[in-house]
Amino acid sequence: QVQLQESGPGLVKPSETLSLSCSVSGGSIRSYHWTWIRQSPGKGLEWIGYIFYSGYTKYIPSLKSRVSMSVDTSRNQFSLKLSSVTSADTAVYYCVAADPWFDSWGQGTLVTVSS
Amino acid sequence: QSVLTQPPSASGTPGQRVTISCSGSSSNIGGTYVYWYQQFPGTAPKLLIYRNDQRPSGVPDRFSGSKSGTSASLAISGLRSEDEADYYCAAWDDSLSGHWVFGGGTKLTVL
Repeated sequence: QVQLQESGPGLVKPSETLSLSCSVSGGSIRSYHWTWIRQSPGKGLEWIGYIFYSGYTKYIPSLKSRVSMSVDTSRNQFSLKLSSVTSADTAVYYCVAADPWFDSWGQGTLVTVSS
Repeated sequence: QSVLTQPPSASGTPGQRVTISCSGSSSNIGGTYVYWYQQFPGTAPKLLIYRNDQRPSGVPDRFSGSKSGTSASLAISGLRSEDEADYYCAAWDDSLSGHWVFGGGTKLTVL
């Protein structure tokens, strides 16, 4: 199974942009739909979207205007940017390898939106 | 408000059989596969059932999934204390150009 590890700031100010990266090991970046899923504290799971190695993306409609994903095949990494964040974006963010189901998960990283 | 509807809680005693339901619509469960994930506190979810009723290697056969129409169920037989966790259903939804949707999760308590 592929291994994934999220990285990025754990604290983001309101109205700023949340930026996370996910490092992939044990598998090819040319496989899978590279996916981001988040979980607000004490709440359920929310699919944010995915990116394929070609750069093709699909995002959840409710976040589409604020989300951007990218992939760096040379570094075996993919990234998430979420702009204009509010406290509602406070969550544990997971990077996931999907084929098409959510096969391998990173450990998750808590991002808190607060001034 | 989750697109897929699950009961917020379920419980059973060791050895019992419990089922967790997941209700959707024709744009998700009714038209595609259902997946189930198990999550323990502080850890990432783990795939439990794929394509309605298939178990990944390593998942005990005490866990089984089924689907009928726009609803699905996860059954756990021979309940064990280590089954106490949160369970989520998921499916692809064809509406709004397509996206994955989850149930709100069911917290299973082993009494």
